[in-house]
Amino acid sequence: QKEVEQNSGPLSVPEGAIASLNCTYSDRGSQSFFWYRQYSGKSPELIMSIYSNGDKEDGRFTAQLNKASQYVSLLIRDSQPSDSATYLCAVTDSGAGSYQLTFGKGTKLSVIP
Amino acid sequence: GAVVSQHPSWVICKSGTSVKIECRSLDFQATTMFWYRQFPKQSLMLMATSNEGSKATYEQGVEKDKFLINHASLTLSTLTVTSAHPEDSSFYICSARVAGKYEQYFGPGTRLTVT
Repeated sequence: QKEVEQNSGPLSVPEGAIASLNCTYSDRGSQSFFWYRQYSGKSPELIMSIYSNGDKEDGRFTAQLNKASQYVSLLIRDSQPSDSATYLCAVTDSGAGSYQLTFGKGTKLSVIP
Repeated sequence: GAVVSQHPSWVICKSGTSVKIECRSLDFQATTMFWYRQFPKQSLMLMATSNEGSKATYEQGVEKDKFLINHASLTLSTLTVTSAHPEDSSFYICSARVAGKYEQYFGPGTRLTVT
């Protein structure tokens, strides 16, 4: 059973602080990792993708991947109230030709003004 | 780029009727499209994967005769909920994948209410 685990939260941070979201996955063969943001009542929006170990930065977002530890994280710098949402970690299946994503249940982030 | 649309955005239908939901990739060709369902305060649940010109692959527990999926072209997939019942009321979301890439881009979703 392929699993993606996230702390459900809620994670509360003050405005301007760094929000740190974590995710672990069970399928050691997974190659691609994604973070989606989902506002209440809306569909998920892709915000970051990462494929190799290390850090990847895009604006206020930094994704970190450690395949040996089967761990991926998302840092949000200078958090804004508009960042308040549920963040979904998603991991590709390692099966040949499979493009399905396994999603975690999401971490709810609340940025307090 | 990578915009996916869905139509309708919301629909109310009577029990026993059928509803068709369209999913279109507007600025790219989608080799694969996925259909998800999400109940309130729950995670996404993958229903099926469809490749253009092929039969859809359904996840365990999803009735393929009830949820008919047609991926007729590289930009259009449809989901038809047949003989809908109130327990089918949910948020249905499609996503699409560009050939050669793993990222999935989601449509805005369709909220179905069966009365």
